[in-house]
Amino acid sequence: NAGVTQTPKFQVLKTGQSMTLQCAQDMNHEYMSWYRQDPGMGLRLIHYSVGAGITDQGEVPNGYNVSRSTTEDFPLRLLSAAPSQTSVYFCASSYGTVYEQYFGPGTRLTVT
Amino acid sequence: GESVGLHLPTLSVQEGDNSIINCAYSNSASDYFIWYKQESGKGPQFIIDIRSNMDKRQGQRVTVLLNKTVKHLSLQIAATQPGDSAVYFCAENMNRDDKIIFGKGTRLHILP
Repeated sequence: NAGVTQTPKFQVLKTGQSMTLQCAQDMNHEYMSWYRQDPGMGLRLIHYSVGAGITDQGEVPNGYNVSRSTTEDFPLRLLSAAPSQTSVYFCASSYGTVYEQYFGPGTRLTVT
Repeated sequence: GESVGLHLPTLSVQEGDNSIINCAYSNSASDYFIWYKQESGKGPQFIIDIRSNMDKRQGQRVTVLLNKTVKHLSLQIAATQPGDSAVYFCAENMNRDDKIIFGKGTRLHILP
């Protein structure tokens, strides 16, 4: 199993550009989530999904959209990038909320 | 979550000694707690979890203690090794909520 994969690994955007961060898992996990991690800080929950077709907001959802059309994929869309969105983004998946989450390697995003 | 700015709390421990990492959680309704380890440049990795109906749980070289009265969680690492050097995060979940919220991290530094 590949586990949780994220693409791209690195990305530089200009303010106002949009892009999609990809996340996929091959473990048939129902629960998937997106976090952002700023330097020297913990992880903050952006959006999460408890199954295909179901998404919900986390702690910091503004400026981000998600969709979950399949169990495997959970893309994160930045609608209009801002410098405040410069961060490392982690995708995670698990069998459910109260199970261990498996994290991807992260995407380092810089918005100039 | 609370911001700790650019500087994480750091715990320095002599190799071979036991490490105790503490976490104060915020929500008295939380009933599931998890510890994650994050090595430099990687995504967080599950260490151990505990449910609110338990006070203590042991794994391989790790023990988690839960004190619900004071909303405090601790992770004890026995015989600390160089490979334990990382940032450690606690996370919490409420049964009626599907969000998993991370707390402040602690950097564990191993002294030779």
